[in-house]
Amino acid sequence: EAGVAQSPRYKIIEKRQSVAFWCNPISGHATLYWYQQILGQGPKLLIQFQNNGVVDDSQLPKDRFSAERLKGVDSTLKIQPAKLEDSAVYLCASSPMGVGTDTQYFGPGTRLTVL
Amino acid sequence: DQQVKQNSPSLSVQEGRISILNCDYTNSMFDYFLWYKKYPAEGPTFLISISSIKDKNEDGRFTVFLNKSAKHLSLHIVPSQPGDSAVYFCAASVSNSGYALNFGKGTSLLVTP
Repeated sequence: EAGVAQSPRYKIIEKRQSVAFWCNPISGHATLYWYQQILGQGPKLLIQFQNNGVVDDSQLPKDRFSAERLKGVDSTLKIQPAKLEDSAVYLCASSPMGVGTDTQYFGPGTRLTVL
Repeated sequence: DQQVKQNSPSLSVQEGRISILNCDYTNSMFDYFLWYKKYPAEGPTFLISISSIKDKNEDGRFTVFLNKSAKHLSLHIVPSQPGDSAVYFCAASVSNSGYALNFGKGTSLLVTP
């Protein structure tokens, strides 16, 4: 079974530029998550999708971050404009049903550096 | 507001000995707990979980203990192997909700030969 795919793996941009990340979850998984992991911290949820609907985006900085899940499968996360503090690893995860006891499967992440 | 806390940033253990990683939580609604393991440049991978109806769960060399009254859980690795060297994240959730995991900051484990 293929795992969660993410691209790009690394991205370096200057502040005020835009950037987009792509995630392809495990086939058949209904729930998709985007996490932000700042160096030295644990992953922090940005947004959770159930199929193509948003379940939780309470920690997404909506003035600059946006996300969509196309047809309930792939997802993109966009930052526009980027700030220095957005430097982090952006992790995508998926789970079968999105209930509290689901195991979440993580992709390798995209490391973003904002200069 | 950090609801899941791992107060030891790092731990060094000799190969063959026991590794004990600790985690505390503050939210009494949490009733499902997980440990994830992360190697550099990879995403976290699921290791072991425990429901609040249990106080112990074992899977091979890995055992998780839960003390609900103290809001504390621990991961024991016996015997420790050099390949266990990684960052270990404790995470918690509310099982009957559809919401995502709350993670601790992680503990970096180094197992020396």
